[in-house]
Amino acid sequence: EIVLTQSPGTLSLSPGERATLSCRASHILSNPYIAWYQQKPGQAPSLLIYDASNRPTGIPDRFSGSGSGTDFTLTISRLEPEDSAVYYCHQFGSSPPGTFGQGTKVEIK
Amino acid sequence: EVQLVQSGAEVKKPGESLRISCKASGYSFTNYWIGWVRQMPGKGLEWMAIIYPGDSDTRYNPSFQGQVTISVDKSISTAYLQWSSLKASDTAIYFCAKIMSAGWYGAPFDFWGQGTLVAVSS
Repeated sequence: EIVLTQSPGTLSLSPGERATLSCRASHILSNPYIAWYQQKPGQAPSLLIYDASNRPTGIPDRFSGSGSGTDFTLTISRLEPEDSAVYYCHQFGSSPPGTFGQGTKVEIK
Repeated sequence: EVQLVQSGAEVKKPGESLRISCKASGYSFTNYWIGWVRQMPGKGLEWMAIIYPGDSDTRYNPSFQGQVTISVDKSISTAYLQWSSLKASDTAIYFCAKIMSAGWYGAPFDFWGQGTLVAVSS
């Protein structure tokens, strides 16, 4: 099973700042089968990024993803107050089960 | 519009059985894998199991194999998660979620249900 380790655990930043969230896989992913989700308190997760760097329709372009191999990054270029949430990475490679990282909490000062 | 609407919160005692549901609409239910994700109180997300409604093919996380059963009723576009004997440690929110790509499970969850709270206590 592939283990995903996210860092940092919590990120506290001001509006307009840049947030960089890391997701490291325990094994090299031969394909970029990484997604990122945003979960706000009391809500279901929602898909932000898939295949490491693709944004679904409707996701603002201040959210971007990158990476390959074992290291993947979610960047929020200009934080807005509504970006306060927990962010999870998810690997969904060709062999289930998928796995999630433990999450990074983003707090807006 | 894709929607996944889950059944309401449940309060059960240890040893009781339970089935929760997830009704899908707005897409071809039989053509997309659908799965269940657990979130224990204050914790992260755990991938439990997925099922292909077209032929009821299933994949389980080994951690949940034998502990839960996933099923579908194609006639009403509904997926189920079932326990035969609940434990206190099953207390969690359970989300159903649709997998993005038709006919293939190697894709992310693009739509999620609102979650069902299951509380198990004596």
